[in-house]
Amino acid sequence: SYVLTQPPSVSVAPGQTARITCGGNNIGSKSVHWYQQKPGQAPVLVVYDDSDRPSGIPERFSGSNSGNTATLTISRVEAGDEADYYCQVWDSSSDHPLWVFGGGTKLTVL
Amino acid sequence: EVQLVESGGGLVQPGRSLRLSCAASGFTFDDYAMHWVRQAPGKGLEWVSGISWNSGSIGYADSVKGRFTISRDNAKNSLYLQMNSLRAEDTALYYCAKGRVLLWFGEGAFDIWGQGTMVTVSS
Repeated sequence: SYVLTQPPSVSVAPGQTARITCGGNNIGSKSVHWYQQKPGQAPVLVVYDDSDRPSGIPERFSGSNSGNTATLTISRVEAGDEADYYCQVWDSSSDHPLWVFGGGTKLTVL
Repeated sequence: EVQLVESGGGLVQPGRSLRLSCAASGFTFDDYAMHWVRQAPGKGLEWVSGISWNSGSIGYADSVKGRFTISRDNAKNSLYLQMNSLRAEDTALYYCAKGRVLLWFGEGAFDIWGQGTMVTVSS
C-alpha cells in the first residue's frame, strides 16, 4: 500500500516560515490535502488539491507538490498555528482504492 | 450551519458489535461522499471507510475489511458504521467526515468533520 512519510516534529520561531514535508513515491502525480489538528479538536482542512485553500483559511497557508515530496508552508507563523498537521492522498494504485494519511507532524512555535 | 454529529460510541467487549451513527445538517447530504476516519489515543489519523453519494461505491481499509460495514440513509441525512468482531486495536475516536467534491468519490479532500465518538474495546 502507498506510504506517506512526514517528519515527527518541526519547530519554528514566531514570524518565521514553517515547512512541513510529506514524502511518497511519485506523490507529484497525486492530489495532496493537508489538515490541521489542535489538541482535543477535530481536524480542519487547510489546503486541498496541492495548493488550494478553503474559505476562511489564511493566505499564510500554502502548498506545493512535485516529484516525491509535497510541502505545506506556513508563513509568518503565529502561536495559534501550533498543532499537528497531516497530509493525505487517494491511492488508486491497488485493487481497492483507499485514502492514506501521513503519520503527522507536530508543529511547535518556540 | 454545516454540521456532523456522531453518536453510538462506548465501551464494548472484544468480539462484540457496535453501530455508529452520524447525523448531517446544513448541506445537501445526498450530493456528497461520506467517510469514517479514526484516531487511536495519542496516534495519527487512519481512514476507515468511505461511501459515495448514492452508495454505489464503497471502500474499506484493510484493517477493517470484512468486519465493518458502512451505509447511509439519504432520506434521514445519516451515515452509519456497523462494527463487528471488535478488537482492542479498534479502540479510537471515530470521526465522520464529508467529501469536498460534489458527486465525486475518489481523490477529494474531507472538508467537514464531526467532533467524533469514542469507541473503547476492552474486557
